Amino acid sequence: DAGVIQSPRHEVTEMGQEVTLRCKPISGHNSLFWYRQTMMRGLELLIYFNNNVPIDDSGMPEDRFSAKMPNASFSTLKIQPSEPRDSAVYFCASSRLGRNEKLFFGSGTQLSVL
Amino acid sequence: KQEVTQIPAALSVPEGENLVLNCSFTDSAIYNLQWFRQDPGKGLTSLLLIQSSQREQTSGRLNASLDKSSGRSTLYIAASQPGDSATYLCAARFGNEKLTFGTGTRLTIIP
Repeated sequence: DAGVIQSPRHEVTEMGQEVTLRCKPISGHNSLFWYRQTMMRGLELLIYFNNNVPIDDSGMPEDRFSAKMPNASFSTLKIQPSEPRDSAVYFCASSRLGRNEKLFFGSGTQLSVL
Repeated sequence: KQEVTQIPAALSVPEGENLVLNCSFTDSAIYNLQWFRQDPGKGLTSLLLIQSSQREQTSGRLNASLDKSSGRSTLYIAASQPGDSATYLCAARFGNEKLTFGTGTRLTIIP
């Protein structure tokens, strides 16, 4: 099993540009989560999907952030327009559906907005 | 508000010693608690998951306990090794699918 795959690994962009982060969950996992990690705020849940349907997006900071999951093997997190305060590590994680299932994380995307 | 706290933020221990990492949570209606390890520049790796009906889980040199009444969980690492150096995070599930993470304890094992 390849694990949760995220791309790109690093992204450097200028303020105002659109940024798209990609995630491929583990095959057979029905739940997908997007987290953001910063030194100041730690790990924050942005949004999660069950069976490709967004369940809770209350953690999405602003309308500039959007996430999609068009199928069971792919999800995107888009920031448009990006701002310097969006700089962080963005993690995607997946699990089987169910409350007692372990969560598996990708390696993250280090985003720097200049 | 449901919160998860980890103290201390950093810990240094000589190699070979046993150690305990602490995690506290504010709501006893916890569904389960997971311990994760994060190496620098990497994602999180799940170590142990304790369900609310369980008292502890063990994996190799790691033992995690859960005490709902006191709002505490501990991660015990036996015979520490330099390779154990990492940040350890606990995360609680309070009845929905969302995990609430602590801020982590950065562990350094001194050779």
